[in-house]
Amino acid sequence: QQPVQSPQAVILREGEDAVINCSSSKALYSVHWYRQKHGEAPVFLMILLKGGEQKGHEKISASFNEKKQQSSLYLTASQLSYSGTYFCGTEWNTGNQFYFGTGTSLTVIP
Amino acid sequence: DGGITQSPKYLFRKEGQNVTLSCEQNLNHDAMYWYRQDPGQGLRLIYYSQIVNDFQKGDIAEGYSVSREKKESFPLTVTSAQKNPTAFYLCASSIAGNTEAFFGQGTRLTVV
Repeated sequence: QQPVQSPQAVILREGEDAVINCSSSKALYSVHWYRQKHGEAPVFLMILLKGGEQKGHEKISASFNEKKQQSSLYLTASQLSYSGTYFCGTEWNTGNQFYFGTGTSLTVIP
Repeated sequence: DGGITQSPKYLFRKEGQNVTLSCEQNLNHDAMYWYRQDPGQGLRLIYYSQIVNDFQKGDIAEGYSVSREKKESFPLTVTSAQKNPTAFYLCASSIAGNTEAFFGQGTRLTVV
């Protein structure tokens, strides 16, 4: 039931772009994205509701394709501070279980 | 300040002992969740509760138990039936579905 993320890990140089994908086997009601630094709690980035919306947050944006049951997180012109593990969180119906994906480790190097 | 607090941060227990992890929130959130985090496996849902005195099992509930007697508290007990309890445990809360989840700082449990 856990959504699958790809890639599992990625290494970028500062200024490069990355895409992280999140796929669910069940129809999604909403998708959340979080970033976790090592040893810390995950921090909320954004939420997307069904309807195929796209959202942006500075140089980090995301899309949600409910037909494909997928969401993608786009990181442009990456900065060192973007390093961490990114998780998607999915809800199948409002008020239902909230499942997190398998995680993507992103490392930005100078 | 509003937030969600987990305690303790580090916990060591002998094999075969039950242990209870605390999670308290003062955000007035209805929904609360417990997740287990192991390297390379992301966050896996143990239990969740959407209202006081009610909770449901997640994917990996075996060997764990919870209670929700108060809105602000959702303690997790790791029982001796949990075969591999050493892990990082995260508690989260949200107003309801479809809203941002707030996380505690986690409890790292080591069973020796």
